[in-house]
Amino acid sequence: EAGVTQFPSHSVIEKGQTVTLRCDPISGHDNLYWYRRVMGKEIKFLLHFVKESKQDESGMPNNRFLAERTGGTYSTLKVQPAELEDSGVYFCASSQGKGNEKLFFGSGTQLSVL
Amino acid sequence: AQTVTQSQPEMSVQEAETVTLSCTYDTSENNYYLFWYKQPPSRQMILVIRQEAYKQQNATENRFSVNFQKAAKSFSLKISDSQLGDTAMYFCAFMGLASGTYKYIFGTGTRLKVLA
Repeated sequence: EAGVTQFPSHSVIEKGQTVTLRCDPISGHDNLYWYRRVMGKEIKFLLHFVKESKQDESGMPNNRFLAERTGGTYSTLKVQPAELEDSGVYFCASSQGKGNEKLFFGSGTQLSVL
Repeated sequence: AQTVTQSQPEMSVQEAETVTLSCTYDTSENNYYLFWYKQPPSRQMILVIRQEAYKQQNATENRFSVNFQKAAKSFSLKISDSQLGDTAMYFCAFMGLASGTYKYIFGTGTRLKVLA
């Protein structure tokens, strides 16, 4: 069974540019989460999809971040325009069931904004 | 708001010995889940162990066990017979159910190094 895959694994962009991160959850997992970890800090929740619907987007930092999950399969997270403080590792995770099951994580995307 | 605190940024342990990683949390909820996740150097995080707050018995998974003290809001992870493959970042996480959403709150992590 394929795990959660994220693309790209690394991205280096300049301030003001746009970056789109992609997450393919495990097939059949309705729950999809985005998290971010800034160096040395905690892993922070960004948002939670149930199928194609945003269940909770309270962690999205501002309107420069846009997440989509068309068709309830893969998800994208776009940052436009990117700022220096957006640097960090962006993790995607998926789970089945009600959402209190264990999370399956992707390997993350290391985003560096210069 | 719920918070999770891991007060040990880094720890080391000799192979075959036992180590305990600490985690405290703050919540007003009575029903919730607690987790320990492990992120090896390859970066993909995996679940180590899970504890339901309504269960008094401490969860155990092979060499991994927890000491869950609900009144003290403490959830430490004990690794027995440490192996080199246990070297990783360990994250403690809380998930409350009161909000109706399944949002994990993570701590800052403890970097564990197992020494040969």
